[in-house]
Amino acid sequence: DGGITQSPKYLFRKEGQNVTLSCEQNLNHDAMYWYRQDPGQGLRLIYYSQIVNDFQKGDIAEGYSVSREKKESFPLTVTSAQKNPTAFYLCASSANSGGRQPQHFGDGTRLSIL
Amino acid sequence: GEDVEQSLFLSVREGDSSVINCTYTDSSSTYLYWYKQEPGAGLQLLTYIFSNMDMKQDQRLTVLLNKKDKHLSLRIADTQTGDSAIYFCADLLSGYALNFGKGTSLLVTP
Repeated sequence: DGGITQSPKYLFRKEGQNVTLSCEQNLNHDAMYWYRQDPGQGLRLIYYSQIVNDFQKGDIAEGYSVSREKKESFPLTVTSAQKNPTAFYLCASSANSGGRQPQHFGDGTRLSIL
Repeated sequence: GEDVEQSLFLSVREGDSSVINCTYTDSSSTYLYWYKQEPGAGLQLLTYIFSNMDMKQDQRLTVLLNKKDKHLSLRIADTQTGDSAIYFCADLLSGYALNFGKGTSLLVTP
């Protein structure tokens, strides 16, 4: 089945550690996105990528990094510079970034601090 | 980004209609979306509407858009207990970024 797969479902980070969240899609979508969700809040955009080897910062990119080496993969690294990383992270993709093709979401990764 | 506002809670009885409201402030919004989130899960796209439309119906779901008042609503007919979830309204800014409201928690009681 086509879809977006995020792994792991739960992730724990130690102080000073970088962790990487995986996002893979087999929908042949050009655009991919990372959002952060905090309790009782809407989603906030961290990074997005419209095409392979290109990505742009969203509203809250500080302390995060991404890569887009393959069309189907858009991993997110939460670095030690992100001082409040505990949140629910959601990856999304769309056929293009123009809005006519809506964004579809994975099931999320919940990150907690040990 | 500009604000998207939603009421936080709505409670309805099973079989009744639910109406979830949303207001947005950016008049340049081109598409408006409704997503559903169940506990611990990602967001499921329910429906979306282009800004030059007034209404869109899809089975039990009806979306109404009042562009003059920047008001969007989602009506769920014959609401079931499985419809209990958080519903997010979002508008599209700058061709790529979705701007989300904080979500409306819908509770359906038997």
